[in-house]
Amino acid sequence: KQEVTQIPAALSVPEGENLVLNCSFTDSAIYNLQWFRQDPGKGLTSLLLIQSSQREQTSGRLNASLDKSSGRSTLYIAASQPGDSATYLCAVRGMKTSYDKVIFGPGTSLSVIP
Amino acid sequence: DAGVIQSPRHEVTEMGQEVTLRCKPISGHDYLFWYRQTMMRGLELLIYFNNNVPIDDSGMPEDRFSAKMPNASFSTLKIQPSEPRDSAVYFCASSPPPQTSGELFFGEGSRLTVL
Repeated sequence: KQEVTQIPAALSVPEGENLVLNCSFTDSAIYNLQWFRQDPGKGLTSLLLIQSSQREQTSGRLNASLDKSSGRSTLYIAASQPGDSATYLCAVRGMKTSYDKVIFGPGTSLSVIP
Repeated sequence: DAGVIQSPRHEVTEMGQEVTLRCKPISGHDYLFWYRQTMMRGLELLIYFNNNVPIDDSGMPEDRFSAKMPNASFSTLKIQPSEPRDSAVYFCASSPPPQTSGELFFGEGSRLTVL
């Protein structure tokens, strides 16, 4: 059974810092891994999607990496801004027959202090 | 495309009443997922469909919950009878096949309060 964990559960940093969020998963048989952002009381917004054959994806100040063999992904945020404050969730899509479902981690709550 | 559309956005009901949540996936997406989000349990997968067929409903909490997808453009999640512990935000998401992109897109959610 796929299990997804995220460390840390919460993070508070001053504006301008670079930071790394971590995601781990137990079953390496995956199609892809996706990072989302969720603002309080809102839905989930897709940030980056990494296919299992890829090592990383970049969008603006965000860079996500994937090491499938070790079951790890990181989301790197450069030069953090107060507007980055939100909860960040990673989601893993399994590959096994009838198990191509998407499982989420518990999220990392990020607060960027001006 | 308008994205994944959910209704209602907010629902307040009394214990014992039937609740029906609706979802319209993005056109052309073969997969549809129903999730429930609470502070205590995070985002839980309830059930997902592929080409309108339920594939895995192991996350459905109990027999009071049921989901259908009568066609490619519509799905419902029904709770009957509802209980206060069902209060949560229910999200619908859709995606193309994972063999292509498999990127998941979410609706805005339906916030359910059962009194």
